Amino acid sequence: AQSVAQPEDQVNVAEGNPLTVKCTYSVSGNPYLFWYVQYPNRGLQFLLKYITGDNLVKGSYGFEAEFNKSQTSFHLKKPSALVSDSALYFCAVRDEDTGRRALTFGSGTRLQVQP
Amino acid sequence: GAGVSQSPSNKVTEKGKDVELRCDPISGHTALYWYRQSLGQGLEFLIYFQGNSAPDKSGLPSDRFSAERTGGSVSTLTIQRTQQEDSAVYLCASRLAGGPGELFFGEGSRLTVL
Repeated sequence: AQSVAQPEDQVNVAEGNPLTVKCTYSVSGNPYLFWYVQYPNRGLQFLLKYITGDNLVKGSYGFEAEFNKSQTSFHLKKPSALVSDSALYFCAVRDEDTGRRALTFGSGTRLQVQP
Repeated sequence: GAGVSQSPSNKVTEKGKDVELRCDPISGHTALYWYRQSLGQGLEFLIYFQGNSAPDKSGLPSDRFSAERTGGSVSTLTIQRTQQEDSAVYLCASRLAGGPGELFFGEGSRLTVL
């Protein structure tokens, strides 16, 4: 079975400060990992993904994420937060080695960036 | 169209009525997913279609829920005898077949069961 945990319901950060949104996962095989962002009353927008290769993945809007196999983590980061980054962020995983094609999503973390 | 299109965007219905939600995926995307997002909750997988293969229905919460995909394109999610706990945003997503491609989501259909 595949699962994702986002341990923080909400993260608060001041504009200009670095931000981290945490994600840990569990799969039996190799993971495909994704981050999505959801703005109010909108669908989910893709930010970035890890499939293989470099552990540091760069994505949209200046976001990046670091894959750590030993800690089974895929934390989302940004060096300098913007007020416009305030949104709901979802981590998702898919196990490469199973036949299942559906992504399993975490419960989401609300990021609040204060001016 | 350029993106995944869902309709209606909002639906209010009475308990016990049937509802149909429609999804028009991105042209050329053969994989289609339905997810449900309840207020303050994460996304719950419902069903997955891939080409002509049998759909993965493992996420459907009860036999009141069903979905079909006609001609490998448009999909309809049907909820029969709606209950208040069915109130949620129903999200459709599509992606290119094969490989670990990301999902592209529609704006969702917000269902409210009174």
